[in-house]
Amino acid sequence: SQTIHQWPATLVQPVGSPLSLECTVEGTSNPNLYWYRQAAGRGLQLLFYSVGIGQISSEVPQNLSASRPQDRQFILSSKKLLLSDSGFYLCAWSILGSNTEAFFGQGTRLTVV
Amino acid sequence: AQTVTQSQPEMSVQEAETVTLSCTYDTSENNYYLFWYKQPPSRQMILVIRQEAYKQQNATENRFSVNFQKAAKSFSLKISDSQLGDTAMYFCAFMGRMDSSYKLIFGSGTRLLVRP
Repeated sequence: SQTIHQWPATLVQPVGSPLSLECTVEGTSNPNLYWYRQAAGRGLQLLFYSVGIGQISSEVPQNLSASRPQDRQFILSSKKLLLSDSGFYLCAWSILGSNTEAFFGQGTRLTVV
Repeated sequence: AQTVTQSQPEMSVQEAETVTLSCTYDTSENNYYLFWYKQPPSRQMILVIRQEAYKQQNATENRFSVNFQKAAKSFSLKISDSQLGDTAMYFCAFMGRMDSSYKLIFGSGTRLLVRP
């Protein structure tokens, strides 16, 4: 069966420090991968999505970047965190078929202090 | 550009009653997917129901059903016999083609409270 792993679950980082959040998918190949950010009590803002290795589409110009070094690995990074980067980050994957849907990781709660 | 709009930030319903959550979207695509996701306090995203745009028949999943109006670009969720466990944030989502990929975007959400 397909599963998605996202870590860490919680992260507290100082302003100006780097960031690396990792997401891996098991049990499928060539998925579409997504990174979202959710502010408290708000909707999901699409940050990046990827159709394949090295193919990244950015939705919002900001302090973050994404990479897909392997088919089932999606990484969200920052060189220098800002206070405004705080939030809940969700990774998701989807693959088209008769039962198309998106499957989500457990999320990472990032607090920049 | 594709957009999803949920105009009801909060809704409240009495247990066992019926409630309808609204969603509209904008797209120039003809083939796409629409979803309703539930997010309980655990913040785990749970698929409630899915609709393929090429299907005219409205999707149903037990107590959950949708009213899909393709021409009006409307996709509302009806919850029948509301239960306390239905209390959560509900997000409407659109998946449509962008270049060689399928982009998935969400509305701002509706917070549903089921009162005992």
